[in-house]
Amino acid sequence: AQSVTQPDIHITVSEGASLELRCNYSYGATPYLFWYVQSPGQGLQLLLKYFSGDTLVQGIKGFEAEFKRSQSSFNLRKPSVHWSDAAEYFCAVDHTGGFKTIFGAGTRLFVKA
Amino acid sequence: DTEVTQTPKHLVMGMTNKKSLKCEQHMGHRAMYWYKQKAKKPPELMFVYSYEKLSINESVPSRFSPECPNSSLLNLHLHALQPEDSALYLCASGGGPRYGYTFGSGTRLTVV
Repeated sequence: AQSVTQPDIHITVSEGASLELRCNYSYGATPYLFWYVQSPGQGLQLLLKYFSGDTLVQGIKGFEAEFKRSQSSFNLRKPSVHWSDAAEYFCAVDHTGGFKTIFGAGTRLFVKA
Repeated sequence: DTEVTQTPKHLVMGMTNKKSLKCEQHMGHRAMYWYKQKAKKPPELMFVYSYEKLSINESVPSRFSPECPNSSLLNLHLHALQPEDSALYLCASGGGPRYGYTFGSGTRLTVV
């Protein structure tokens, strides 16, 4: 069965510092991969997605992610974090044609001044 | 326009009540989803509708009853819920596996 692992429950970074959130997936083939962000009490917003092609993908709000097949990873990065980036981040995979997306446990990002 | 709209935003209901959650999407997507999210947990899939037909039911108790009246609307009928059903209920729509989902802002449900 496919699974998604986000090793870090929470991360704290200083405003202006760089950020990397880790995501590993377990599946035989390359699934469709996503990162979502959720502010408290809100729905999820799609940041970026990967399904083929260039392994470095750009998303909204200055985020990017790199797919590494050899490591089964899809880590999210941002060069300079803003206080408004504080939120919950979910990595997700889908190999069933868009009908069943599996979410990781999430990583809570705290940003300190 | 908000692309996926959920109403109401908050709902408090007793265990003997009947209520409905509503979702409307303006994306033209073929699939719509209900997710349940408990505090500090990821969303858990409940139901999937594809082309207005129920395609996935993740063994959800019968006190939750989904309905898809047309390609833009999705309802979740609630009856005889338990306090442990209190959660954020999220609706989403999707245009296919490459595109990800568009989520609504959710309905915060409290069962008393």
